[in-house]
Amino acid sequence: ETGVTQTPRHLVMGMTNKKSLKCEQHLGHNAMYWYKQSAKKPLELMFVYSLEERVENNSVPSRFSPECPNSSHLFLHLHTLQPEDSALYLCASSQSPAGGRGETQYFGPGTRLLVL
Amino acid sequence: AQKVTQAQTEISVVEKEDVTLDCVYETRDTTYYLFWYKQPPSGELVFLIRRNSFDEQNEISGRYSWNFQKSTSSFNFTITASQVVDSAVYFCALRSSNTGKLIFGQGTTLQVKP
Repeated sequence: ETGVTQTPRHLVMGMTNKKSLKCEQHLGHNAMYWYKQSAKKPLELMFVYSLEERVENNSVPSRFSPECPNSSHLFLHLHTLQPEDSALYLCASSQSPAGGRGETQYFGPGTRLLVL
Repeated sequence: AQKVTQAQTEISVVEKEDVTLDCVYETRDTTYYLFWYKQPPSGELVFLIRRNSFDEQNEISGRYSWNFQKSTSSFNFTITASQVVDSAVYFCALRSSNTGKLIFGQGTTLQVKP
């Protein structure tokens, strides 16, 4: 079984739609992350959750709204997105709460989002 | 400031050739962690290796080897006898012990031709 799963794998949405991305980790980790990967740009950290509490929000527009109901699940709610938000959205998890140590982050397969 | 530079944007080799992917990092931390990830066309980032700043031993895992040199702030990755399945984007990343943030390089796209 894959350690980190993401659904859907592909998503096409209009600018007025509301959709949600889901991430689930099966590794017993306590920290979860959302990253955005745009073409020809480095991966950008969007949000970090540690033990279900948001510990970091990297100046992400409010049209992206994360939710972490428990340590195994992470959502990214999307509304009124722009075409420039089209990207690969990657979820990751790590053993310990973020910060201070070099725990390895394990990534899911990503959701490829296209905003029309 | 923390930064990871992968100067090689794209590399193309023929199968069975050896190839080295370069990674240079910048940090003022005395303790930090370096990583390599592989991203095949499917999109998932696959963890390959983690190296602590206080451990400069090189590592070999099958056809993969890593050369960590603090003196030149480099953490290069070599694939020996490359195979078509090695074709992917490879990312080097740095994690600060202070901030915990994982900083990625731009990635190197490796194409291995049969």
